[in-house]
Amino acid sequence: SYELTQPLSVSVALGQTARITCGGNNIGSKNVHWYQQKPGQAPVLVIYRDSNRPSGIPERFSGSNSGNTATLTISRAQAGDEADYYCQVWDSSTSKFGGGTKLTVL
Amino acid sequence: QVQLVQSGAEVKKPGASVKVSCKASGYTFTSYDINWVRQATGQGLEWMGWMNPNSGNTGYAQKFQGRVTMTRNTSISTAYMELSSLRSEDTAVYYCARVYDYGEDAFDIWGQGTMVTVSS
Repeated sequence: SYELTQPLSVSVALGQTARITCGGNNIGSKNVHWYQQKPGQAPVLVIYRDSNRPSGIPERFSGSNSGNTATLTISRAQAGDEADYYCQVWDSSTSKFGGGTKLTVL
Repeated sequence: QVQLVQSGAEVKKPGASVKVSCKASGYTFTSYDINWVRQATGQGLEWMGWMNPNSGNTGYAQKFQGRVTMTRNTSISTAYMELSSLRSEDTAVYYCARVYDYGEDAFDIWGQGTMVTVSS
């Protein structure tokens, strides 16, 4: 079955750029979606189909996808960006989530 | 506004079944697939399956085949997820989520989650 690999944690200084990766075999051929989840809350879609932002999501959030790695980039990181982030793809009619990355803003 | 509102928390004994509801409002219920995702405490997101509210067609993750049933009542814009033969490992928050466009796409609207506790 298709597996997605995310780092367990990423740290970023306030105001700097955070990059969260999602690895998978030839993931560049798939649409990758990203979710933000804060404690006690439901996930929120922040990037869909590799690089598209839903309405209401700040331009600081961007995404890319190529080869075996998709990346969520958060520019000018804020304290409010501290959360768990999950990538998601569809493979063989099954949806898969990465294990999640905890983003800490220092 | 577009939202999904789920039923309240449940406590079940091992071997029992649970049925969680997900009421849609603010959009045409039959136009977007509904998926179910669960999350055990401190763990990641786990996809369970999808349902097309228009046709009733479903697709389940292999892990849950034979134990999960997803249905709907279009007259009240509500989707349901029933999980049977519950065990302690099924203790989790269960979410319904709407597909952004159609088919295999992102989940743009999520319910608030329903805590299901399985305990003797």
